[in-house]
Amino acid sequence: KAGVTQTPRYLIKTRGQQVTLSCSPISGHRSVSWYQQTPGQGLQFLFEYFSETQRNKGNFPGRFSGRQFSNSRSEMNVSTLELGDSALYLCASSFQGASGELFFGEGSRLTVL
Amino acid sequence: QQQVKQSPQSLIVQKGGISIINCAYENTAFDYFPWYQQFPGKGPALLIAIRPDVSEKKEGRFTISFNKSAKQFSLHIMDSQPGDSATYFCAATTSGTYKYIFGTGTRLKVLA
Repeated sequence: KAGVTQTPRYLIKTRGQQVTLSCSPISGHRSVSWYQQTPGQGLQFLFEYFSETQRNKGNFPGRFSGRQFSNSRSEMNVSTLELGDSALYLCASSFQGASGELFFGEGSRLTVL
Repeated sequence: QQQVKQSPQSLIVQKGGISIINCAYENTAFDYFPWYQQFPGKGPALLIAIRPDVSEKKEGRFTISFNKSAKQFSLHIMDSQPGDSATYFCAATTSGTYKYIFGTGTRLKVLA
């Protein structure tokens, strides 16, 4: 069974640009969550989607947005990039998103110059 | 109140020793406490998890101890091996929120 796939794995952007990251969940999983990982901060929750509906959102500015498609694939977008947005962005899928196992992808490493 | 405080930040243990990582929380609504293991270049993977109705859960060399009254839980790795060298994250969530709060991580190095 294929795992969670994130693309691109690495990307470099400059301040002010925007970026779109993609996540394909494990087949059959309908919940997709996004987390930002930075050194010393651990993983910070961005948002969670289930059946194309956002069920929860973390404390990030409106520049961070996401969506989920009917096939459960998800994208997140960051507009007007800032240096502090440099991080590893992790996508996780689960069957229903309730208190159960999250399956993480390997992440998209974003560097903002 | 939404924080999960994790310590230590880093840990060095001799092969065969016991590794202990601690986490503390404030939100009594949390009802699921997983531990994740992350190797360099990989995403975190679930190691073991516990719910607050039990005080201890053991899976192989890994044990979670849970103290509900103190609002603390810890991961014990018995007979630590060099292959256990990784970053460990504790986490907590409340059913129905679909949001996990992670600790800041502990980088474990097991010396051969």
